Amino acid sequence: NAGVMQNPRHLVRRRGQEARLRCSPMKGHSHVYWYRQLPEEGLKFMVYLQKENIIDESGMPKERFSAEFPKEGPSILRIQQVVRGDSAAYFCASSIGYNEQFFGPGTRLTVL
Amino acid sequence: AQTVTQSQPEMSVQEAETVTLSCTYDTSESDYYLFWYKQPPSRQMILVIRQEAYKQQNATENRFSVNFQKAAKSFSLKISDSQLGDAAMYFCAYRSAKEELGRTYKYIFGTGTRLKVLA
Repeated sequence: NAGVMQNPRHLVRRRGQEARLRCSPMKGHSHVYWYRQLPEEGLKFMVYLQKENIIDESGMPKERFSAEFPKEGPSILRIQQVVRGDSAAYFCASSIGYNEQFFGPGTRLTVL
Repeated sequence: AQTVTQSQPEMSVQEAETVTLSCTYDTSESDYYLFWYKQPPSRQMILVIRQEAYKQQNATENRFSVNFQKAAKSFSLKISDSQLGDAAMYFCAYRSAKEELGRTYKYIFGTGTRLKVLA
């Protein structure tokens, strides 16, 4: 049973470009969480999605960030017009219902 | 709102010795989970140990054990017989356990403790 998969593992973007981060949850998991880890900090919650629904986006910056979890395919975290401050590791976690979350390996985003 | 505090940015331990990492948290809830995660340089989040708040018995996993003091809201991690492979960042995390429709079961993480293991 494959774990949570994230790709790409490393992503380099220039300021002003768009970044798309993908997360494939574990088989049978319909709940997805996105977290961001800034350098030298712990993980901070961004958004919680179930299939086709955003349940809680209270941790998402108000502008430039969006997330989706379509009926088919991976969950996508999209960052438009990236700035240097967006450089961080972005982690996805999935769960079955309200049970324990399993974390993916993360995507490290570097903005030049 | 719940908070998690790790007051030790960095700790060192001699190989084969024992080390304790501290974690305190704040919550008004009575039912929750607490976790310790290990993050090596690969950045993968590895679950070390988990504690349910309703259980009085401290969780143990081989060389890893916790000291859970619910009244004091303290959740420390003890690593016995430290090994070079234990060197990593360690994060304490909290998650509510109260089941409620539409609730977000987000994890709340501390800022981490960097553990160095000296040969």
